[in-house]
Amino acid sequence: DSGVTQTPKHLITATGQRVTLRCSPRSGDLSVYWYQQSLDQGLQFLIQYYNGEERAKGNILERFSAQQFPDLHSELNLSSLELGDSALYFCASSVRGQEGLEQFFGPGTRLTVL
Amino acid sequence: GQNIDQPTEMTATEGAIVQINCTYQTSGFNGLFWYQQHAGEAPTFLSYNVLDGLEEKGRFSSFLSRSKGYSYLLLKELQMKDSASYLCAVPLGNAGNMLTFGGGTRLMVKP
Repeated sequence: DSGVTQTPKHLITATGQRVTLRCSPRSGDLSVYWYQQSLDQGLQFLIQYYNGEERAKGNILERFSAQQFPDLHSELNLSSLELGDSALYFCASSVRGQEGLEQFFGPGTRLTVL
Repeated sequence: GQNIDQPTEMTATEGAIVQINCTYQTSGFNGLFWYQQHAGEAPTFLSYNVLDGLEEKGRFSSFLSRSKGYSYLLLKELQMKDSASYLCAVPLGNAGNMLTFGGGTRLMVKP
């Protein structure tokens, strides 16, 4: 158990819908990262937050957005869902946002878009 | 940009040694991570190398050569539970610490 929690574990929805994935980092970790893992794309970095501020952006679609709240939990919002958005979404956390720090991954949310 | 290459699949026998290679091309270098991921589960940290050489941690060791853009993960005394994907990753080296992952090497350990 990494100490990172994600809810829900599974999510099934229809195309065009909007969903929110939630992540709570390990106690004391200020930085949160979101990754998407699909069968054909591997693990892809989406976005990073550090102490409530956006720190870095990866290959995140405009339909996707995220935020980190004062209590440091984070939410990833996915809208206008398409079949291709079906994937495992992982959240990870680290103590700070600098390079070289181990990231601890949560168990993931499996999103299925029908 | 970042480019990371790993073999897609490998098979090895229980009790044996296996070496999983990773080559990378980055615009800047800030170390290299190895993660283990069992199917449908979260990646778990194995090692981080920032200097050249071999780092040993129990049955697992990781090697880095920065001049060659090359790393390997060495697994000794293989166990059935080592069947998993092994992901090589490098930080992008910008303000943040986001990781670029290779496609992963799926290791199958046979009795």
